[in-house]
Amino acid sequence: QKEVEQDPGPLSVPEGAIVSLNCTYSNSAFQYFMWYRQYSRKGPELLMYTYSSGNKEDGRFTAQVDKSSKYISLFIRDSQPSDSATYLCAMIPTDSWGKFQFGAGTQVVVTP
Amino acid sequence: DGGITQSPKYLFRKEGQNVTLSCEQNLNHDAMYWYRQDPGQGLRLIYYSQIVNDFQKGDIAEGYSVSREKKESFPLTVTSAQKNPTAFYLCASSISPGGTGELFFGEGSRLTVL
Repeated sequence: QKEVEQDPGPLSVPEGAIVSLNCTYSNSAFQYFMWYRQYSRKGPELLMYTYSSGNKEDGRFTAQVDKSSKYISLFIRDSQPSDSATYLCAMIPTDSWGKFQFGAGTQVVVTP
Repeated sequence: DGGITQSPKYLFRKEGQNVTLSCEQNLNHDAMYWYRQDPGQGLRLIYYSQIVNDFQKGDIAEGYSVSREKKESFPLTVTSAQKNPTAFYLCASSISPGGTGELFFGEGSRLTVL
């Protein structure tokens, strides 16, 4: 079983809708959580970075972490066609330096 | 502008040949990483380095080698021992060897074995 599970999609939404993405994980030692956006044939770009449980908002993006359920989410409000990309979750435990664990990524398609 | 530069973007290799992928960063980051990305799979760690002249194997190091002679540079060699080298390779760096810093990625190198 993978340490981080993420539905690969594709997830198709109309422009202006809310995009909801999530990852589940099994290692309770994970403390730092990240979301990356990756356009086709490009490197991932960091979107959100959160520590422990709670919410964090940045513009149209909101990241949520629920450590009790081992579940993290990313919401994109007012989605645009330019949000069409693959979204990767990543996390790292406090006791294993450098060992970032990534989800497989969810492909999102925002249709005009 | 600060960033991570990977080269070449596309590379074709014949079976049995070694190839070296370049990664240079001007972010003054201490830690550098190499990941492999295959369709439908998450990023898998090949090697990482916390400081100059030191590096550790990741989850899939077999058939790969690295060096870290300068803080800015972390080249990856894909050797002929790597059985399935066709993939998208990503170099990354983070500011802190403490392991909690965010990862910043280069644009990637796509290797195809003919």
